[in-house]
Amino acid sequence: DTGVSQDPRHKITKRGQNVTFRCDPISEHNRLYWYRQTLGQGPEFLTYFQNEAQLEKSRLLSDRFSAERPKGSFSTLEIQRTEQGDSAMYLCASSFGGAGELFFGEGSRLTVL
Amino acid sequence: SQQGEEDPQALSIQEGENATMNCSYKTSINNLQWYRQNSGRGLVHLILIRSNEREKHSGRLRVTLDTSKKSSSLLITASRAADTASYFCATDAFSSGYALNFGKGTSLLVTP
Repeated sequence: DTGVSQDPRHKITKRGQNVTFRCDPISEHNRLYWYRQTLGQGPEFLTYFQNEAQLEKSRLLSDRFSAERPKGSFSTLEIQRTEQGDSAMYLCASSFGGAGELFFGEGSRLTVL
Repeated sequence: SQQGEEDPQALSIQEGENATMNCSYKTSINNLQWYRQNSGRGLVHLILIRSNEREKHSGRLRVTLDTSKKSSSLLITASRAADTASYFCATDAFSSGYALNFGKGTSLLVTP
């Protein structure tokens, strides 16, 4: 399967713990996006990379959130000192260039107890 | 922040009927896209319409765009139970580096 893959698919953690999600985009795609989606809402933009450069960050991305894309391939999204409000589906998407179709992974669902 | 707003929030129809969903947005856009999401899954791209286009078709899908009213509509003709999903419009804008901003979605239920 050459689509966007995300790992883990589900993560349950206790408040205050750190969690990390990984996204492997479609190999030839140079753009990678992170979104967060809560129940009944649309995806909210968090950040995106073009190759290894993080070009845009939402105000939603507090200093507890950090994303990296070393070498312009896979990306990680880390949430430090998790809070119950961080419970959501974290979606990764990739594209070739901007202003076009995004290809989404199946998401990583986070539950903070 | 979410740029687009879909209407209605929920829609229930029977197989064979047409489903129409509307989307309004606030700022000038480069293009508008529609995505579909089955429960608990990722989003799947359906169709993209550029700001200089007024109508586009893809199979049973028809999308219109009215930039003067900052609105778009998605029509699904001859709906099937398998069309049951949430549908989102998404817009990009220079101000956000062309990252897509999604609306809250329309939840479509198609009953046999």
